[in-house]
Amino acid sequence: DAGVIQSPRHEVTEMGQEVTLRCKPISGHNSLFWYRQTMMRGLELLIYFNNNVPIDDSGMPEDRFSAKMPNASFSTLKIQPSEPRDSAVYFCASSSRQGARETQYFGPGTRLLVL
Amino acid sequence: DQQVKQNSPSLSVQEGRISILNCDYTNSMFDYFLWYKKYPAEGPTFLISISSIKDKNEDGRFTVFLNKSAKHLSLHIVPSQPGDSAVYFCAASAHRDDKIIFGKGTRLHILP
Repeated sequence: DAGVIQSPRHEVTEMGQEVTLRCKPISGHNSLFWYRQTMMRGLELLIYFNNNVPIDDSGMPEDRFSAKMPNASFSTLKIQPSEPRDSAVYFCASSSRQGARETQYFGPGTRLLVL
Repeated sequence: DQQVKQNSPSLSVQEGRISILNCDYTNSMFDYFLWYKKYPAEGPTFLISISSIKDKNEDGRFTVFLNKSAKHLSLHIVPSQPGDSAVYFCAASAHRDDKIIFGKGTRLHILP
């Protein structure tokens, strides 16, 4: 199995630009999670989906952030407009069932730098 | 407010010795605890977990201890090996909650 696939691996953009991060979960997994890692706040859950439906988006920082999961094999996290404080590593993870007890498998992350 | 706290940003341990990583939590509703390990340029990977009905769980060189009254857990690695050098995240969840709350991580350096 290829594991969770994220693209791009690195993204450098200028403030005000739109950024789209992509994730392909492990085949057969029906829960998908987006996390952000920063030095100050550690690893934060932004939003998660179960069976392509957003369940909890309370971690999304503000309206500039949006996430979609149009089908079981693809999800996007969009930031529009981007700001320097959005610079972080963004991880996508998937699991086979809903529930924190299910092992989450993380992708390699997208390192975002907003200038 | 951090619900899961890892107060040591980094830790250095001699190869072959015991590594002890600590974690404190504040939410008394947490009843399931996990440790994840992360190498540079990779995503975190699950290492070991423990339910609140237990006070110890062992898996090879890795043992997690839970002290519910102190709201404290620790990860012991014995013996420490060079490949154990990584960032270790402590995490917790509450019953019936789908979310995992992570700490900020502790960077472990295993010295030759």
